[in-house]
Amino acid sequence: KQEVTQIPAALSVPEGENLVLNCSFTDSAIYNLQWFRQDPGKGLTSLLLIQSSQREQTSGRLNASLDKSSGRSTLYIAASQPGDSATYLCAVTDDQGAQKLVFGQGTRLTINP
Amino acid sequence: GAVVSQHPSWVICKSGTSVKIECRSLDFQATTMFWYRQFPKQSLMLMATSNEGSKATYEQGVEKDKFLINHASLTLSTLTVTSAHPEDSSFYICSASRRENEKLFFGSGTQLSVL
Repeated sequence: KQEVTQIPAALSVPEGENLVLNCSFTDSAIYNLQWFRQDPGKGLTSLLLIQSSQREQTSGRLNASLDKSSGRSTLYIAASQPGDSATYLCAVTDDQGAQKLVFGQGTRLTINP
Repeated sequence: GAVVSQHPSWVICKSGTSVKIECRSLDFQATTMFWYRQFPKQSLMLMATSNEGSKATYEQGVEKDKFLINHASLTLSTLTVTSAHPEDSSFYICSASRRENEKLFFGSGTQLSVL
């Protein structure tokens, strides 16, 4: 059974810092990995999706990497801003249709002005 | 991008009553929708896969008679929590995609509180 772990559970940093969030998964046979953002009491916004054949994806100040063989992914956020404060979720899918997601517990990020 | 609308955003109900949550894909047809549950400070857990025109597929440990799912059209899936109890209080969220192997779009979620 696939299990996804995110470290740290919470992170608080000053505005402007670069930071890295970590995600690990137990079964390397995945089809893709996604990073989501969740604001309190709200839905999820997909940030980046990395296919199993890819090593990284970038969108603006965000860069996600994937090391499938070691079961790890990182989300790098450059020049953090208070608006980046949210919970970041990592999820993998290992079904052929790439639809059923297994989520980590998330990292609650706070960017202090 | 694709929009998934979920209603209500929050609901408070008495123990023993039933609550219906709707999930709509506004600008695309979704053959399959997914329902997740999230307890405080825990991860989202997949409850069931909702298939248009057929029975839902439930994950292990999810009571299908308690969590009724109906996917009557290509744009609407409903989750009914029957005879709700305080332990059913949770954040419920749906997702849908336009086709397989495409990323999912999520609704805004429903916070259910059972008194």
